[in-house]
Order: sequence, then C-alpha cells, then structure tokens
Amino acid sequence: ETGVTQTPRHLVMGMTNKKSLKCEQHLGHNAMYWYKQSAKKPLELMFVYSLEERVENNSVPSRFSPECPNSSHLFLHLHTLQPEDSALYLCASSQELGPYGYTFGSGTRLTVV
Amino acid sequence: QKEVEQNSGPLSVPEGAIASLNCTYSDRGSQSFFWYRQYSGKSPELIMSIYSNGDKEDGRFTAQLNKASQYVSLLIRDSQPSDSATYLCAVSGTYKYIFGTGTRLKVLA
Repeated sequence: ETGVTQTPRHLVMGMTNKKSLKCEQHLGHNAMYWYKQSAKKPLELMFVYSLEERVENNSVPSRFSPECPNSSHLFLHLHTLQPEDSALYLCASSQELGPYGYTFGSGTRLTVV
Repeated sequence: QKEVEQNSGPLSVPEGAIASLNCTYSDRGSQSFFWYRQYSGKSPELIMSIYSNGDKEDGRFTAQLNKASQYVSLLIRDSQPSDSATYLCAVSGTYKYIFGTGTRLKVLA
C-alpha cells in the first residue's frame, strides 16, 4: 500500500447511527488532516494533527470526533449526524506541520439520510 | 475573513492551446501557494507549489506569483483533453490552507 488510504469509499448512514471513517498514510508524514468538501464550497478544514497531537479543531460540531492513535492512522467518529453533513470527507497528510503540500486520500462520500 | 477567489468557469480551451487559471487572495501575510488538480469524483492532487515572486515551471505547467498584487496563476501549455478537471488554488500562512472553490477547465479535442 502506498499513499493515503481511506475507508470506506462510500457510506450511507441514518441520523441516529454511529460510524467511523478511517485514514492510513504510508508516507512517513508527521501531520494529518480531515477536510470536508461540499458542492460549490471550498474545502473546509476540520481537524489537524501533528505527531498524534491535535493542534486544530476548526469549530467543528461535537458530533464529529477525531482520533489519532499514531502518526499513520487517523479516524473520524460520527454520531447523530444531520443531512447537511452529507459531503466528501477527505483525509490528507503532509511531511510536517507547515507550508508543505498535501497528499490526499481518495475520500469517503458520506450520505446522511 | 481570509479568502481565496477563483472564477468557477468552465474555462474552455481548444486542445494544444494555453490555459490560464487565476486566483486572488486577501491575506497579505500568505507565504505558500499551491495548485491542486481534482478530476470529477476523485480527490485533489498537488501539481505545483510556489513560495516566492516570479515564475516556476514544471513540464507543461507554470505557476506565477505576484505578492504585491496578491494573485497567483497557473498556465498549462499544450493543453490536452486529459487536463480537463477542476483546479484548486490554496494559500497558506503557516500550516492552515485556505482553498478556493476551484476553476473547472474543459479542453476541447
């Protein structure tokens, strides 16, 4: 496996469900990110981790809960979501926290019904 | 509110022409500038980064940065149908990027 891998690719969940998104990077990077991409909107930064420490929580509702058990893995736990949370959720990593380009995963297309 | 502005397009160019994509940003303290390409249904892919004023060339791609005027552009020479995608501009001061909404490019065969 190379690059940044996200699972699942697609997810449909009810508003009362609990699910988790998984991201794994095989690049030896030290920073990882969660972004939300909605139609006709810019990518929205959700969370930033550097060496497993959360350094940014960009005013994200508590129904989204991140977890970074080590520098290669990142999770996004979801519970009691709303239909407006339906979007493409992208994981990214970079060499370090700083002005470095990102490598994105393929994303999870989430639909909340 | 820090912003990055891009024309949403679509920008249509014939095959073999030069495609010019533009981006303006509001934060004068921005230091790092990136262009990502995103094919429909796929995730963004980094294609260019630029940090200082002037031009930076990589193959058919040239990034241009003018900090005084607060714009960054991407030129694609000899455009191919495979270049048809949405191009996202991203601007960073430290580690936080601000993304534009992207410009959709269509290269006509």
